[in-house]
Amino acid sequence: DTEVTQTPKHLVMGMTNKKSLKCEQHMGHRAMYWYKQKAKKPPELMFVYSYEKLSINESVPSRFSPECPNSSLLNLHLHALQPEDSALYLCASSQDPPNIQYFGAGTRLSVL
Amino acid sequence: AQSVTQLDSQVPVFEEAPVELRCNYSSSVSVYLFWYVQYPNQGLQLLLKYLSGSTLVKGINGFEAEFNKSQTSFHLRKPSVHISDTAEYFCAVSVRNSGNTPLVFGKGTRLSVIA
Repeated sequence: DTEVTQTPKHLVMGMTNKKSLKCEQHMGHRAMYWYKQKAKKPPELMFVYSYEKLSINESVPSRFSPECPNSSLLNLHLHALQPEDSALYLCASSQDPPNIQYFGAGTRLSVL
Repeated sequence: AQSVTQLDSQVPVFEEAPVELRCNYSSSVSVYLFWYVQYPNQGLQLLLKYLSGSTLVKGINGFEAEFNKSQTSFHLRKPSVHISDTAEYFCAVSVRNSGNTPLVFGKGTRLSVIA
C-alpha cells in the first residue's frame, strides 16, 4: 500500500478565514512534505518534516503554518491567505533510503 | 546543486505510436532518478525509478526508462501509447544517501495522445 490521503479535496476560503489541510499515511514513512503546485508548473517544495521535526522551510510566508502531530499525520494551517495562494497543495511521504516520495491526490485551494 | 531539464514542454503523438520523453540532469554527486505522471486534477503518481543496478528500468503502464550516466540522461519511453496516457510527466532527481532531501523536478512534459 503506497497511499497518502489528503483532505479536503477542494477548499474555497476567503482572505480572512482560517482553515487546515490534512495529510495521512500509514506506510511507516518518517519524512513528510508539503508542496505547492500552480497550473502547468512542477511542484514547489514548501516544508519537510523528518522524524516529526521541521527540517526544511523554503522561506514560506507565515500565513502557512505546518504541524506534524505524529509520524502519520501532517497538517497545514492556513490564515489570511491571498488570492495568489490559490493552487494545488500536495503532500508526500518517504522513507530514507532511498527517498522514494509518494504523493497524495492533493487539495485544490481557491482563495477569494 | 542539482538541476533537471526536460527538453520538450509538449509532445503530441498519435495513438499506438511510440514515444520518448527526454530528461537530462546535472549533479556533482550521485542521484536517484524518478519519473512521475500527473493526470488532470490529480496528484503525482510514481511511474518508475532508478536506484542502482540495471540501467533499464521498467515501470507501470508499459513505460520504461534508461539511465545513461555518461550522457546524464534518463529518457522515458513507451512502444505504443494509448489515449489514457495523455498527462503531464515530470522527471525528478534526489541526492543519493543524503537523508530525506527534496526532489528536484524538471518543468514537465505534456504528452497529448491523438486518436
